[in-house]
Amino acid sequence: IAGITQAPTSQILAAGRRMTLRCTQDMRHNAMYWYRQDLGLGLRLIHYSNTAGTTGKGEVPDGYSVSRANTDDFPLTLASAVPSQTSVYFCASSDSADTGELFFGEGSRLTVL
Amino acid sequence: GQNIDQPTEMTATEGAIVQINCTYQTSGFNGLFWYQQHAGEAPTFLSYNVLDGLEEKGRFSSFLSRSKGYSYLLLKELQMKDSASYLCAVRDADYKLSFGAGTTVTVRA
Repeated sequence: IAGITQAPTSQILAAGRRMTLRCTQDMRHNAMYWYRQDLGLGLRLIHYSNTAGTTGKGEVPDGYSVSRANTDDFPLTLASAVPSQTSVYFCASSDSADTGELFFGEGSRLTVL
Repeated sequence: GQNIDQPTEMTATEGAIVQINCTYQTSGFNGLFWYQQHAGEAPTFLSYNVLDGLEEKGRFSSFLSRSKGYSYLLLKELQMKDSASYLCAVRDADYKLSFGAGTTVTVRA
């Protein structure tokens, strides 16, 4: 049982570079989310998608973009990374037909130098 | 938007009970969740409340009062493995989940 998979697990990136964090789920959940987690601030929503073909902005969307071409994949792109984007990124999915609890990936630790 | 407050840290003794409070202000309420997160790991689902009252699941219980914008998570018979961060989260009408900063619980022998 894979559930939700993120890649890479960890990455060090030079400022100004482009980076895509990958997220794939095999649970056929309609909704997917990207959060970043920083010490003392908790999980903050970056972007979300309630269904394939649609996306929406969360609390901290600036500097990030997403796409949802199909149900399973929800990549997060940093077009030009900055040091303030150093964080742990979690992808999550949910089935809104049920309680809607989030299932999280294992996280991607990104360091921007 | 959501404004979610919970204590930063709590310490308790093995075998004891700890109650973690969470207050929230929301423009639209569609459920309250509690998650557990061990250091270096992903959050995992603990409980869900959408109606007022107490939901019990083994050693863990969660309470909700929508009129007061208040919830608590009760951890009974604490074990060392319960040392973790506990996250209160509120879902809005658009099914987006907003999290509090988390409460770090340390269980001591």
